[in-house]
Amino acid sequence: AAGVIQSPRHLIKEKRETATLKCYPIPRHDTVYWYQQGPGQDPQFLISFYEKMQSDKGSIPDRFSAQQFSDYHSELNMSSLELGDSALYFCASSLNGAGARGYGYTFGSGTRLTVV
Amino acid sequence: GQQLNQSPQSMFIQEGEDVSMNCTSSSIFNTWLWYKQDPGEGPVLLIALYKAGELTSNGRLTAQFGITRKDSFLNISASIPSDVGIYFCAGPYGSGNTGKLIFGQGTTLQVKP
Repeated sequence: AAGVIQSPRHLIKEKRETATLKCYPIPRHDTVYWYQQGPGQDPQFLISFYEKMQSDKGSIPDRFSAQQFSDYHSELNMSSLELGDSALYFCASSLNGAGARGYGYTFGSGTRLTVV
Repeated sequence: GQQLNQSPQSMFIQEGEDVSMNCTSSSIFNTWLWYKQDPGEGPVLLIALYKAGELTSNGRLTAQFGITRKDSFLNISASIPSDVGIYFCAGPYGSGNTGKLIFGQGTTLQVKP
């Protein structure tokens, strides 16, 4: 079965550079969630989209922005990168707001961002 | 704000042993989720619990939704080496029912063959 696809898997950037992370949800899934997981930490919610509209926002820095496109894929744009942005970034998707009903959802394998 | 306290933080056990970990919160949750994360991979949903008192099994895994709705536990019976990983409890939080999850701090499990 198709899973959540994230690209790239690994990314190395220098401080103050920009990065774009991409997420392709499971086919027909209309909701996307982004999480950030620092080393040895639990995943922290950043932002979510339902039917191409932002549905919720967590502890996402102002330097980050995201959107969901007409084909439901999502991109997380990160500017003025800082060393502390080094982390695993996960995308997850769900169908028809199932995640909102607490059914849990499927995570991608993540993008490991290293800022040097 | 809401917080999930997960324990133990880590466990090192012998293959074949049973394992138990739990999660508590000062707030009520309507859903408890248990995920497993392998190194460098995304969390994988193991068990979802939707009703207070519910006991659910998935193979060698058993999880329960506490009666008070403020706690949950996960048991793994007869552990095997592939059980190694980080186990997280999680639950939907915040207003608006958007599905965002809060996670516990994780329990790192190591199994000695």
